[in-house]
Amino acid sequence: QKEVEQNSGPLSVPEGAIASLNCTYSDRVSQSFFWYRQYSGKSPELIMSIYSNGDKEDGRFTAQLNKASQYVSLLIRDSQPSDSATYLCAVIQGATNKLIFGTGTLLAVQP
Amino acid sequence: EPEVTQTPSHQVTQMGQEVILRCVPISNHLYFYWYRQILGQKVEFLVSFYNNEISEKSEIFDDQFSVERPDGSNFTLKIRSTKLEDSAMYFCASTGQGNTEAFFGQGTRLTVV
Repeated sequence: QKEVEQNSGPLSVPEGAIASLNCTYSDRVSQSFFWYRQYSGKSPELIMSIYSNGDKEDGRFTAQLNKASQYVSLLIRDSQPSDSATYLCAVIQGATNKLIFGTGTLLAVQP
Repeated sequence: EPEVTQTPSHQVTQMGQEVILRCVPISNHLYFYWYRQILGQKVEFLVSFYNNEISEKSEIFDDQFSVERPDGSNFTLKIRSTKLEDSAMYFCASTGQGNTEAFFGQGTRLTVV
């Protein structure tokens, strides 16, 4: 089973700061990468997808992908208390496009 | 905005009983999935379904589990004889043709007592 690894946290940042979340994956052939946000007791909510090396920005979120290092990251600028959640890194594996999830990083934004 | 809907939101069942979890995927999506998340653990893939048949299943998806798309809109997960360790959140997800972004339903919390 190919793995997706994340630091479980918690990662604590003050309101307005940049939160940096990291993820590594073991399957070299993976091509599609996703960040989901999960509030406690809720379902994963897709916030970013990235397919090519480099940066992809969407509002306060920037995803970064480095396939050579098998590394994906998510930056959240101007962090808000409402960003406090678990952030799940997910990688597509196999022909059926199933998602393999990391354990998630708990982000706590302190007001 | 289209969304994946799941019912019920919470199901309590006695060990050994059968349960059916229901999902209505996004209407023009073609690929359907079930995932589960045991409390405090990662989201795990159970099964993928395309063109009215299972396309892939995980080790978790043993003979006690089955999926069905009975009427062109609903997508169900059946657990024939529930065990205590089946207690988890079960999520349905779907993706569209040529698109790998998966959208999740709100989940069903299954509690086996």
